[in-house]
Amino acid sequence: AQSVTQLDSHVSVSEGTPVLLRCNYSSSYSPSLFWYVQHPNKGLQLLLKYTSAATLVKGINGFEAEFKKSETSFHLTKPSAHMSDAAEYFCVVPRGDSSYKLIFGSGTRLLVRP
Amino acid sequence: ETGVTQTPRHLVMGMTNKKSLKCEQHLGHNAMYWYKQSAKKPLELMFVYSLEERVENNSVPSRFSPECPNSSHLFLHLHTLQPEDSALYLCASSQEGRNTEAFFGQGTRLTVV
Repeated sequence: AQSVTQLDSHVSVSEGTPVLLRCNYSSSYSPSLFWYVQHPNKGLQLLLKYTSAATLVKGINGFEAEFKKSETSFHLTKPSAHMSDAAEYFCVVPRGDSSYKLIFGSGTRLLVRP
Repeated sequence: ETGVTQTPRHLVMGMTNKKSLKCEQHLGHNAMYWYKQSAKKPLELMFVYSLEERVENNSVPSRFSPECPNSSHLFLHLHTLQPEDSALYLCASSQEGRNTEAFFGQGTRLTVV
């Protein structure tokens, strides 16, 4: 069965410093993986997705993630945090069967200090 | 703008009211979803429609009634709700097939008084 675990419920960084949001996955096969971002009282926006074409995936707003099969990880990074990055981030894996269900991690709230 | 539009954005209703949430997608997708997001709880999948047929209903109380008249529109009819139903309701759509991402609307913030 597919699952994702987000290792930190909250991450706090200073503006201009690197961001690291951690996600580990569990899957019986090489999965697709997504990162979504949600700003307060807004819907979820797709940041980036991994579909086995390349292990380093670049997304919007300067974010990227690297799929590491040996570590079963798909961590989200950004070299320099901006105040507008403050939001909640979700690591997501499709359930993989025919019912299109997405499995969401519990979310990581990113706080950016001025 | 993600191509998925939800109306209204905010809704306050009494426990005896009947209201409906509307979702429209302009992406040509053939699957649509309702999710509930409550404070301090994981995102909950409520209903899935594929090719206009309901394919999943995750033990949602009957006071929530979905309707999918065509592949572009999805409704959630609400009646006799409880205060604990107050939440952000998110609509999403995707294209049929495995491992495809979903596109979300901005949500409807529902408050039941």
